Amino acid sequence: AQTVTQSQPEMSVQEAETVTLSCTYDTSESDYYLFWYKQPPSRQMILVIRQEAYKQQNATENRFSVNFQKAAKSFSLKISDSQLGDAAMYFCAYRRTTGANSKLTFGKGITLSVRP
Amino acid sequence: DTGVSQNPRHKITKRGQNVTFRCDPISEHNRLYWYRQTLGQGPEFLTYFQNEAQLEKSRLLSDRFSAERPKGSFSTLEIQRTEQGDSAMYLCASRGEWGRGGNTIYFGEGSWLTVV
Repeated sequence: AQTVTQSQPEMSVQEAETVTLSCTYDTSESDYYLFWYKQPPSRQMILVIRQEAYKQQNATENRFSVNFQKAAKSFSLKISDSQLGDAAMYFCAYRRTTGANSKLTFGKGITLSVRP
Repeated sequence: DTGVSQNPRHKITKRGQNVTFRCDPISEHNRLYWYRQTLGQGPEFLTYFQNEAQLEKSRLLSDRFSAERPKGSFSTLEIQRTEQGDSAMYLCASRGEWGRGGNTIYFGEGSWLTVV
């Protein structure tokens, strides 16, 4: 079974600074997707960034980028120029590419606070 | 697309009562998921539909839980004889076919259940 581990329960960053959120996962599959989702308090979970395992290039979306290390099964999220609106819970998630179901498996999440 | 819609957003019920949640997925999304999320934890998979067929159920889905998706459109999740341990947020998510955003699972805002 696939597992996703987020070992840091909380992190804090100064506004305009950079922060990195860590995630490791375990799978025997060779092809899969990895995601970072953001969940603001009492708000909807939204996709931040997606990485396909077959791609060597790290995904980037504006201020958000990932460091995908397939051999180490590591998938960290870097947030540059942090903004107050980035404060939320962040979840790392895994999904197989094969099979009709391909459900998401989530980590426990990390609470990010942004200091003004 | 109007997004994944869930209602009611909040439900307080007495132990032993039945509750039903409804999910309207993004139009044309044929795959629908239910997840459960408790405070400070990541979402846990409950069940999956492809069109009207329920293809997978988690062991978390006890006999008191039943989900349906008639006609492959909206879905309902019913919890019978609620227990305090059922208190959680119930998240619905959907995704389309490959090539139609099928790589990404989109979430609703969730339905909070409090059993007193």
